[in-house]
Amino acid sequence: GDSVTQMEGPVTLSEEAFLTINCTYTATGYPSLFWYVQYPGEGLQLLLKATKADDKGSNKGFEATYRKETTSFHLEKGSVQVSDSAVYFCALSGNPTGNQFYFGTGTSLTVIP
Amino acid sequence: EPEVTQTPSHQVTQMGQEVILRCVPISNHLYFYWYRQILGQKVEFLVSFYNNEISEKSEIFDDQFSVERPDGSNFTLKIRSTKLEDSAMYFCASRETRGRAGQPQHFGDGTRLSIL
Repeated sequence: GDSVTQMEGPVTLSEEAFLTINCTYTATGYPSLFWYVQYPGEGLQLLLKATKADDKGSNKGFEATYRKETTSFHLEKGSVQVSDSAVYFCALSGNPTGNQFYFGTGTSLTVIP
Repeated sequence: EPEVTQTPSHQVTQMGQEVILRCVPISNHLYFYWYRQILGQKVEFLVSFYNNEISEKSEIFDDQFSVERPDGSNFTLKIRSTKLEDSAMYFCASRETRGRAGQPQHFGDGTRLSIL
């Protein structure tokens, strides 16, 4: 069945460091891929998405590219800020309806000044 | 921006009791979902709901669970005879339409359910 495997955390970085959070997926067909972020005390918020191979999703300085050949959707940011401290979830929705979402375990990121 | 709202934020219940978790989806959305996350584990799909009936459910969603849309705004998850292993964060989500690839689900802040 469809599934997502996400890099284990927690991750601790200094401000302005480069961030990569790995995400790989298993799916039949051509899923859509998402990154959600959960700030402390809040719900899951959509960060970015990509709906087909080679698409790049981007938002707030974060980027992720849908790589069909490696079944990956790694999240990157060139220079993290303290305000980026949160839990990041990779997710996929399968075709054709995209009704059910499959999530990774989440990666906790702490950015220190 | 419209939000999905969930109440209560934290629910503590004795084992064996019934609990109802409440959600108000975004008003023009048509598809509603419940997920749960046991501490340290993945966010798991429980059920999806459309047109006043369940459209999909996971193996987790057994006879102990039920969902209802009692009026035009609320969407509830009922857990009968709660067990210790039901302790988790429960997320409600909604989506505007179903058939478009890449359409995201919008999530509430979650209800933390603690079974004693």
